[in-house]
Amino acid sequence: DVKVTQSSRYLVKRTGEKVFLECVQDMDHENMFWYRQDPGLGLRLIYFSYDVKMKEKGDIPEGYSVSREKKERFSLILESASTNQTSMYLCASSWAGDSKNIQYFGAGTRLSVL
Amino acid sequence: AQTVTQSQPEMSVQEAETVTLSCTYDTSESDYYLFWYKQPPSRQMILVIRQEAYKQQNATENRFSVNFQKAAKSFSLKISDSQLGDAAMYFCAYLAPRRTYKYIFGTGTRLKVLA
Repeated sequence: DVKVTQSSRYLVKRTGEKVFLECVQDMDHENMFWYRQDPGLGLRLIYFSYDVKMKEKGDIPEGYSVSREKKERFSLILESASTNQTSMYLCASSWAGDSKNIQYFGAGTRLSVL
Repeated sequence: AQTVTQSQPEMSVQEAETVTLSCTYDTSESDYYLFWYKQPPSRQMILVIRQEAYKQQNATENRFSVNFQKAAKSFSLKISDSQLGDAAMYFCAYLAPRRTYKYIFGTGTRLKVLA
């Protein structure tokens, strides 16, 4: 089974803190994604990466950056957390050669910025 | 730009009954994929069913089936014999793989199953 693991289920941070959200997948997937999930807005793509050190902005990249130094790990960074970044963050991965184009999701990190 | 619309924020169904969740999308592409994902409370999102646009036959997976109407750009999910474990958020998603790896998600429908 594909396993996508997000390092924290719940996180509470202060405004202005630098926050790291970590995601690890164990299936050698090329593609990895960070989404933000808010009620009534669905899932919105923040960033995705299609290879090590490669990244592409999604629909809402402002206030976020990412790092992918190893194939299995994709980190989302909030340089200076703000209250409007309180949300559920979902990581996903997929295999570039998969004709079914299925994404596999982690359990999510619920971040509260106070 | 492609969009995905789920017009039902919340639905309820009696256990053992059938429920249909609606999804419409807008695209000018001819080659694309559609998905339904399920997100149970406090658990990770999993794929329920997928449909390839070039296939006319509606996809089915056990109690889950879709009604894919390409001309109408409609992709509804039918859950038969609903079970308490079907209670979840359901997201419809669209992908045009020739252009991007990026899904476009709808806003979700919360399904409640009543015992």
